[in-house]
Amino acid sequence: EIVLTQSPGTLSLSPGERATLSCRASLSVSSNFLAWYQQKPGQAPRLLIYGASSRATGIPDRFSGGGSGTDFTLTISRLEPEDFAVYYCQQYGSPPGTFGQGTKVEVK
Amino acid sequence: EVQLVESGGGLVKPGGSLRLSCAASGFTFSSHSIHWVRQAPGKGLEWVSSISSSGSYIYYADSVKGRLTISRDNARNSLFLQMNSLRAEDTAVYYCARAAAGGDPWSYYFDFWGQGILVTVSS
Repeated sequence: EIVLTQSPGTLSLSPGERATLSCRASLSVSSNFLAWYQQKPGQAPRLLIYGASSRATGIPDRFSGGGSGTDFTLTISRLEPEDFAVYYCQQYGSPPGTFGQGTKVEVK
Repeated sequence: EVQLVESGGGLVKPGGSLRLSCAASGFTFSSHSIHWVRQAPGKGLEWVSSISSSGSYIYYADSVKGRLTISRDNARNSLFLQMNSLRAEDTAVYYCARAAAGGDPWSYYFDFWGQGILVTVSS
């Protein structure tokens, strides 16, 4: 089973700042089958990035994903007020489809 | 518009049973694998189970194997999760999530999610 570890647990930033979130896998993620989701309180998760670096439909270009193998990043170039939320990475290449524990991006 | 709507949640005693449903619309249901993902109160996301578009491939998390059963009815555009021998640790919001394509559920990201349904296991 692939274990995903996200860091930091909480990121305190101001609107307009750059956010860099990390997701490290215990084993190599096959074919970079790594996705990022955003979740706001009381809402379902929303797909942001798939295939490690492809933006989902309708996702603003301030969101970008990178990395390969065991180390992946999600970058938000300039935080907008609506971006403060919890972000999860997930590998979907093989069962179980493990999620990271999440990174909360909060207003500083 | 793609929609996934869960139903069937509620309060159940430990050892009891519940059947969740997920009604799909706005896309060709029979062409997509579907997953169940849960989230305990204040916790992160946990994958629970998956079923391929035809129902030929089924997977379960170790934590629910033997107690939860996933199934689908492509004629009714519906997904089900039969939950037996429920435990307090099964308390969570349960989401159905669509895989981006069909066939084996793996290799495709979860592109649409329902709003979730709360299951509470308590005496």
